[in-house]
Amino acid sequence: KNEVEQSPQNLTAQEGEFITINCSYSVGISALHWLQQHPGGGIVSLFMLSSGKKKHGRLIATINIQEKHSSLHITASHPRDSAVYICAVRDGRGADGLTFGKGTHLIIQP
Amino acid sequence: DAGVTQSPTHLIKTRGQQVTLRCSPISGHKSVSWYQQVLGQGPQFIFQYYEKEERGRGNFPDRFSARQFPNYSSELNVNALLLGDSALYLCASSSPFRGTDTQYFGPGTRLTVL
Repeated sequence: KNEVEQSPQNLTAQEGEFITINCSYSVGISALHWLQQHPGGGIVSLFMLSSGKKKHGRLIATINIQEKHSSLHITASHPRDSAVYICAVRDGRGADGLTFGKGTHLIIQP
Repeated sequence: DAGVTQSPTHLIKTRGQQVTLRCSPISGHKSVSWYQQVLGQGPQFIFQYYEKEERGRGNFPDRFSARQFPNYSSELNVNALLLGDSALYLCASSSPFRGTDTQYFGPGTRLTVL
């Protein structure tokens, strides 16, 4: 079973700061997802990665398959970025759903 | 195009009762997965269904069951409710059934067991 660890658990930053959230996993995967969850529960898929790097607006996600590590970066952070960011992986067999990290609670202060 | 929908939004039950939660996937999506999220934790995988067949099951007791209908909507049933079943239950749809598909999540059903 894959173990997914995220760091930090909580992060408070000032508006405009560059944010990095890290995710590591223990077993080979077929894909890694970065998700955003706002208060109330709704989850939005931000990225799905199997290699390299993806960028969408101010968000950048990278993955290093050899090191079993991924990072999510937010440039020019804004209070509306405040949310819980969750890393989730699907194992190499592709079955049995996603395994989730516990999430990183991000607060961006004006 | 409508996203993933779940019903009901909120539900309060007492211990020992049974509950049925419903999920409608995005049109054209044939895979539905169910997750349980206890407050303060990441979601935990319960079931995955594809083309009306169970394709994966997480580490949950037999009190949890699910099914998928011909229109690809799905129901999650939980029998003999325990206080520990209180959680947000999330449904996600995707297409096609392989390991690299993007998951689209519904808003969830918040279940409270008293």
